[in-house]
Amino acid sequence: IAGITQAPTSQILAAGRRMTLRCTQDMRHNAMYWYRQDLGLGLRLIHYSNTAGTTGKGEVPDGYSVSRANTDDFPLTLASAVPSQTSVYFCASSPGSNSPLHFGNGTRLTVT
Amino acid sequence: GQNIDQPTEMTATEGAIVQINCTYQTSGFNGLFWYQQHAGEAPTFLSYNVLDGLEEKGRFSSFLSRSKGYSYLLLKELQMKDSASYLCAAMDSNYQLIWGAGTKLIIKP
Repeated sequence: IAGITQAPTSQILAAGRRMTLRCTQDMRHNAMYWYRQDLGLGLRLIHYSNTAGTTGKGEVPDGYSVSRANTDDFPLTLASAVPSQTSVYFCASSPGSNSPLHFGNGTRLTVT
Repeated sequence: GQNIDQPTEMTATEGAIVQINCTYQTSGFNGLFWYQQHAGEAPTFLSYNVLDGLEEKGRFSSFLSRSKGYSYLLLKELQMKDSASYLCAAMDSNYQLIWGAGTKLIIKP
């Protein structure tokens, strides 16, 4: 089934630990994005990639890193998790600049 | 700065019509998106407006006024399954999306 797959679905993580959230899409979309969603706030862009081999910083990039080695995969890494990174993380992709986003089902992360 | 405003919560009755408003301020403008998000699920695309006017898609319609920085989503013949959050997002001159916090729509029988 075509779409975006995120893993894990949920995770409880001790503060200070390293964690990689995985995102894979099979739609051959050029652009991919990582957002966090917190209660009462709009989706906030963490990092994005317009095409394989390039990445850019979004609105809230601190504490996060990404890589885009190929078209399909866009992992998000928390180098040393802090409680303020407790959130729901959504990966998304789109074929072009002003095309609709397709979202993965999200990863619910709790940092204790 | 860039900003999106939409009501936090609205309540409507099954079978009725509801209009969800969204105002935006962005650096440049490349379109306005509406997404639907059911609780615990991912957002899904509903509509895209880049020119002034009304776009109709079944029970859902979306309107844009660029001069007023204003859009609305109109839902007709409301069904219980329409209970969800509706997210407004404007695209700026750098093709970055600015998101509203979402409007939680509660449908009552």
